[in-house]
Amino acid sequence: DTAVSQTPKYLVTQMGNDKSIKCEQNLGHDTMYWYKQDSKKFLKIMFSYNNKELIINETVPNRFSPKSPDKAHLNLHINSLELGDSAVYFCASSQAGMNTEAFFGQGTRLTVV
Amino acid sequence: GNSVTQMEGPVTLSEEAFLTINCTYTATGYPSLFWYVQYPGEGLQLLLKATKADDKGSNKGFEATYRKETTSFHLEKGSVQVSDSAVYFCALSDPNFGNEKLTFGTGTRLTIIP
Repeated sequence: DTAVSQTPKYLVTQMGNDKSIKCEQNLGHDTMYWYKQDSKKFLKIMFSYNNKELIINETVPNRFSPKSPDKAHLNLHINSLELGDSAVYFCASSQAGMNTEAFFGQGTRLTVV
Repeated sequence: GNSVTQMEGPVTLSEEAFLTINCTYTATGYPSLFWYVQYPGEGLQLLLKATKADDKGSNKGFEATYRKETTSFHLEKGSVQVSDSAVYFCALSDPNFGNEKLTFGTGTRLTIIP
């Protein structure tokens, strides 16, 4: 069973469209995240949710709206897509705390054309 | 703010060579330190971690020691294999946020040739 699963794996869309990426974890973790990895492999946190509540929002444009319907899901909706949004988006989860491991999904490669 | 600086890649080595990937950090307080590995087409996986000064993390023949005096967490392996080819990320957890805010380095792509 996949621990952290995201769909879709690839997403190609035109500028201006609205798209969503879904994420689910079956590990029983209480914290979930979205990370963005750019073309140079630089990885930066976007959002973090703990028990369905937003606890970190790292100056992400408000075109990006995360939604956590329950502890096991954290979806990412993006409005009015721009060329610069092209990247690989990773969902991750962990138990809250300093030393616990974060488990990552396989990533969603978003290409905006 | 917190930051992680990693050795620039890409790094190419022959099989059985010795590997070092440098990592230094800047943080307030006492972060935990991690190395994550990303194999082609996959998400990141935890490779090893250290939670306090002088701790040594180890896994799959890789090691890294938390050096507070030099703010470093260099990754080493004595004899690399082709299967070690991947991108390696050094990271730290914010002492104020724990795992909710991991700060990653830029990643180092490692290629091992037979």
